Amino acid sequence: AQSVAQPEDQVNVAEGNPLTVKCTYSVSGNPYLFWYVQYPNRGLQFLLKYITGDNLVKGSYGFEAEFNKSQTSFHLKKPSALVSDSALYFCAVSPSGYSTLTFGKGTMLLVSP
Amino acid sequence: NAGVTQTPKFRVLKTGQSMTLLCAQDMNHEYMYWYRQDPGMGLRLIHYSVGEGTTAKGEVPDGYNVSRLKKQNFLLGLESAAPSQTSVYFCASFTYGGRVAGEQFFGPGTRLTVL
Repeated sequence: AQSVAQPEDQVNVAEGNPLTVKCTYSVSGNPYLFWYVQYPNRGLQFLLKYITGDNLVKGSYGFEAEFNKSQTSFHLKKPSALVSDSALYFCAVSPSGYSTLTFGKGTMLLVSP
Repeated sequence: NAGVTQTPKFRVLKTGQSMTLLCAQDMNHEYMYWYRQDPGMGLRLIHYSVGEGTTAKGEVPDGYNVSRLKKQNFLLGLESAAPSQTSVYFCASFTYGGRVAGEQFFGPGTRLTVL
């Protein structure tokens, strides 16, 4: 069975600084990895995915994620944080393009002005 | 295009009462999902459907039933609500066409409290 770990409940960063939200995973075979964002009182929104190819994938709102197979990690990054990036971020994994998702517990990102 | 909508937005039940949550999507998606979100536990899959007339169990199906009589609707039922079912419920849908099954479209959620 697959699993996802998001080791930080909360990440605090100042506006303009780079941000990283960490994610590690466990899955049989090649992973399909995803990041979602949830703004307050809203549903989740898909940000980006990794299936194969380049280890650095780009997504919506200037976010990118780095896949590292040896460390089984898929960290979310952004070069310059905005206050409006403050939200709950979920990492998710699937063993294939046809399977259901397993989500991590989520990491709250707080960007201060 | 309304996307994925959920009815109701909020509901308070007493222990033992029953209710049905409705999810509707206007994107002609084949796959639909019901999740529950609890603090510190992320999203957990309750049931899902890969097409009209089909349903399958997810990670936490006990205490819930589902039906997919029409392609655009996915109903989640609680026959006898328990306080442990207090949660925020999210519906999601998906179709292929250049995507993979992890690229789901989520509804706004239903906040359910069971007293």
